[in-house]
This record gives sequence, structure tokens and C-alpha cells, in this order.
Amino acid sequence: ELKVEQNPLFLSMQEGKNYTIYCNYSTTSDRLYWYRQDPGKSLESLFVLLSNGAVKQEGRLMASLDTKARLSTLHITAAVHDLSATYFCAVDENSGYALNFGKGTSLLVTP
Amino acid sequence: IAGITQAPTSQILAAGRRMTLRCTQDMRHNAMYWYRQDLGLGLRLIHYSNTAGTTGKGEVPDGYSVSRANTDDFPLTLASAVPSQTSVYFCASSRIPGEFSEQFFGPGTRLTVL
Repeated sequence: ELKVEQNPLFLSMQEGKNYTIYCNYSTTSDRLYWYRQDPGKSLESLFVLLSNGAVKQEGRLMASLDTKARLSTLHITAAVHDLSATYFCAVDENSGYALNFGKGTSLLVTP
Repeated sequence: IAGITQAPTSQILAAGRRMTLRCTQDMRHNAMYWYRQDLGLGLRLIHYSNTAGTTGKGEVPDGYSVSRANTDDFPLTLASAVPSQTSVYFCASSRIPGEFSEQFFGPGTRLTVL
């Protein structure tokens, strides 16, 4: 059974600070996805990582994938309040039919 | 329509009643999925369909059924609702299963079973 673990589950950080969210998974896969969810809203796709060493950046967020370590990171640079949301990583087992989600990291950025 | 729509937006339902959650996509995606989201548990897959005419069970299929008569629609039915089915339900779709399966999500249906 594929397990996807995110750390931390809750994160409160000050504006301007940097931090990293970690996503570990238990099976071989070279496809990992990051989603953002605002309270009461749907999930929005942030990044699609499709190979070992893949790195993608959008604004203050940067995601990377190390398939050998079975680890993805989502790095936040100089956080701003608008980044407050829940972030999910999800792993594709290469079966093509479903994503396995982590429990999510609830991020709160405070002044 | 642009993307995925779900109906209803929210519903309060008496236990034992039958309920169908509707999902329609206009992206001509082959694969569609139903997830439920519960606090502290993340998203769990209920059922999926890789193409019209086929369906499969996910992690938590008991008490739910689906059908896929055409590409666009993927309804989820609760035959006899129970309080443990209180949740937020998300429908999702992806272009082609078997390739990178970035999934796009609908707005969700908040269901309360009393």
C-alpha cells in the first residue's frame, strides 16, 4: 500500500521567512503533484513533477523531486499572507488510475 | 461550462435516503474520479473510471456506486446514506490515464447525513 506522508501538518510562519514542506512516499514513482486548497474551496494544481531531479518554480514557491529518496519538497521563500492555504502532495503509483494524497500541510502566514 | 461542475453544492440528507451527486466535465478527459475529503484524513479515492463504460473501486468504495455512460458525466450514488458519509466530495478528471495524470478538480459537494 502506497503511503504518502507530509511534514509538518501545521505550519505557522511569519511573513518574510523561508520554510520547506516535505513529502515522503513509500513506493517507486516518478510522478508527483502539488496542490493548493483555500478554505472551503477546491484543489488547484500547483506543480507537476515528472522525473528525478525535476524542479519547478512559481513565484515564491519552488518544488523539487528526488525519486531515489522518495522525497519531494515545497520551498517557500519570503512568505506572504496570500500563501496561507493547505498544500497537498500526491503521488501517482504509475498505474495511471489514481493519485494518493498526503494529509496536507495547513500553512498560516502571519504579519 | 469550463472545466468540471458538480451539483448540488451542498445537501443535508436524512439517513437511509438515496442520493446522487452529479459531476460533468467539458474537457473531453478520458478519466474521472470521485474523492471524499475528511478533516485529518486528506483525500481518499472512492471510485474511478479510466474511460466511458468502465469503472473501478478506490480506497473507500463501500456504500457508493458509480456509472460512466459517456465521457462527460460521472455520477456518484449513495444507495442508503449513513452519517459516516458526511463529507466533502470532489470529482476530478484527467486527460489520459497511464500518462502523467494531472487531475483537475471540481468545486466540491458538501454532504451532511443526519
